[in-house]
Amino acid sequence: ILNVEQSPQSLHVQEGDSTNFTCSFPSSNFYALHWYRWETAKSPEALFVMTLNGDEKKKGRISATLNTKEGYSYLYIKGSQPEDSATYLCACTGTASKLTFGTGTRLQVTL
Amino acid sequence: DARVTQTPRDKVTEMGQEVTMRCQPILGHNTVFWYRQTMMQGLELLAYFRNRAPLDDSGMPKDRFSAEMPDATLATLKIQPSEPRDSAVYFCASGPSGGTDTQYFGPGTRLTVL
Repeated sequence: ILNVEQSPQSLHVQEGDSTNFTCSFPSSNFYALHWYRWETAKSPEALFVMTLNGDEKKKGRISATLNTKEGYSYLYIKGSQPEDSATYLCACTGTASKLTFGTGTRLQVTL
Repeated sequence: DARVTQTPRDKVTEMGQEVTMRCQPILGHNTVFWYRQTMMQGLELLAYFRNRAPLDDSGMPKDRFSAEMPDATLATLKIQPSEPRDSAVYFCASGPSGGTDTQYFGPGTRLTVL
């Protein structure tokens, strides 16, 4: 059973601030790490999937890194905008194909 | 733009009634997942299928929940009898194969059991 933890639980930043949050997972039996963005009243949307230690992915102002040896991933948002407000979920797959989700980091960006 | 569809979007029912939720995965995807969103546990996996075969339903209360894929274009999640504690948003997701592949989520079914 994978135990995926995310921190912080919630975050409140001003427009223009850069921010980051953490996803921790057991490094044994690791297969892939997914990041999803989940806006209120919508469904989760995939941001990144990473598998290799040292992987870095980027999409616009959002980027993510992966350390499989120590079991963590960081998600970075540069110059936060109000439309970045959402819950950011990470999820891991182990040797089975199913995703185990963390409880998410709720980000609120205000003007 | 291919999407996962779910019906109904909202369902209000009374305790003891049967509830059936339906999901149409993206054409060509061979894995289908059912998740439940709860306040306490975030997104919990209930069941998943690959090539229509159930691979894991350990997250599902077996006495009242059942999940099936009658064909490649339809997945169902049934609750019988429903209870107030089943109230939640149920998401279906599909993907090309699972594992490293991205899962695409449907809009969810909001279930309220009175």
